[in-house]
Amino acid sequence: GQQVMQIPQYQHVQEGEDFTTYCNSSTTLSNIQWYKQRPGGHPVFLIQLVKSGEVKKQKRLTFQFGEAKKNSSLHITATQTTDVGTYFCAGQGQTGANNLFFGTGTRLTVIP
Amino acid sequence: DAGVIQSPRHEVTEMGQEVTLRCKPISGHDYLFWYRQTMMRGLELLIYFNNNVPIDDSGMPEDRFSAKMPNASFSTLKIQPSEPRDSAVYFCASRFGQLYSPLHFGNGTRLTVT
Repeated sequence: GQQVMQIPQYQHVQEGEDFTTYCNSSTTLSNIQWYKQRPGGHPVFLIQLVKSGEVKKQKRLTFQFGEAKKNSSLHITATQTTDVGTYFCAGQGQTGANNLFFGTGTRLTVIP
Repeated sequence: DAGVIQSPRHEVTEMGQEVTLRCKPISGHDYLFWYRQTMMRGLELLIYFNNNVPIDDSGMPEDRFSAKMPNASFSTLKIQPSEPRDSAVYFCASRFGQLYSPLHFGNGTRLTVT
C-alpha cells in the first residue's frame, strides 16, 4: 500500500534557527498537501503542491515538490516560538483515489 | 462558517461499552473522512464517504468499528465493544470536490477506554 514517510520525527531548534522536514512517498503522487497541528489541536491546511518541481513560499515557509513527484520538503527560515507544532505532509495517489495518506509527521520544538 | 463539528470532545468509557462519535461536516462538502491519531501509528484513515456513500473502509480496524452517514450533515463512528487499545484521538474531516481540495478537520474526540 501507499506509504508516506517523514524525517526527522522530532526536531528541537533554538529560536532563530532554520528548520527543514522531508517527506518521501513510495509511489508517485498527484499532489501533496502540508498541514500543521499545534499541541492539543487539529491539523490545519497550509498549502498544496501539484506540479513537478513546484516551489511555493508563505512568508518564512518554503515548500518544494520533487521533480519525480515522490518527495517534498518544508523549510522554515528563522523559526519563532509560534512555529511550534507537528508538520504533516499528505499525499494523494495518481490512481484517482480521493483519500489522503498522511506522513508520520515531524514534531518541531522551538527553544526561546 | 462553524467548521467541522465533532462531539463529544472527550469520552471516557469502560472496556466493553459501546462508544458513538459524531461529526457534522461543513455545509456543502461532499467528502467526509474519519481519521484516528495515536503516538504509535500517527494519523490513520479509517473510512471516507462521498455523497453519504462509504467509498473506502479498508482502514477500519475490525468488525467492532462501524461508520454511517445517514445524510449530508451527519456521520457517526461507532465502536462496539470498545477496548483499551481503541484509546486515541478521532478526527472527522470534510472537503469539497475531489483532487486538490484541502481537508478541514474538526477538533477531534479524545477517547479513553479503561
